[in-house]
Amino acid sequence: EDQVTQSPEALRLQEGESSSLNCSYTVSGLRGLFWYRQDPGKGPEFLFTLYSAGEEKEKERLKATLTKKESFLHITAPKPEDSATYLCAVNTGTASKLTFGTGTRLQVTL
Amino acid sequence: NAGVMQNPRHLVRRRGQEARLRCSPMKGHSHVYWYRQLPEEGLKFMVYLQKENIIDESGMPKERFSAEFPKEGPSILRIQQVVRGDSAAYFCASSLSPGTRNTIYFGEGSWLTVV
Repeated sequence: EDQVTQSPEALRLQEGESSSLNCSYTVSGLRGLFWYRQDPGKGPEFLFTLYSAGEEKEKERLKATLTKKESFLHITAPKPEDSATYLCAVNTGTASKLTFGTGTRLQVTL
Repeated sequence: NAGVMQNPRHLVRRRGQEARLRCSPMKGHSHVYWYRQLPEEGLKFMVYLQKENIIDESGMPKERFSAEFPKEGPSILRIQQVVRGDSAAYFCASSLSPGTRNTIYFGEGSWLTVV
């Protein structure tokens, strides 16, 4: 059975303090790894998809990387508006079925 | 707003009543997915539909839950005889096609509370 584990569960950073979120996965055959951002009371907002080890994608202060066993979401010089829960998900079969981790709750303070 | 539209956003039902959640996919998308997020748990896949077809319902509870995506109109997730354990956020998502290179976009969710 596919498994996705995210760490840490919660992370508190000061504004400008860079850090990384981890997503480790155990799957039978990865066809895509997804990162989403979710604000309280809202739906997941798409950030990135990574397909193969070594791939990297960037968007503003966020950078996602992928290895054969895990993915990292690097946050450079975060701002308070980056506070959210970041979700990682894997797709190992049809595009219909994403297996999600439980997320990392990020809080960025002034 | 051309995103995935869900309604109602919040729904309160008494035990034993029926809940109907509606989802209109993004414009041009014909593939719809439903996920459930229980308190303190991750999102769990429930069902994948195309117009007039259920493609994958492996995540749907065997009883009381059903889903449809008619030729015209929104997709409907129906929960009969609700119980307290059905209280959760239900998210609809859509994609342009089922290929793995197509992004799945989520709606804002429908929060069901069973009292």
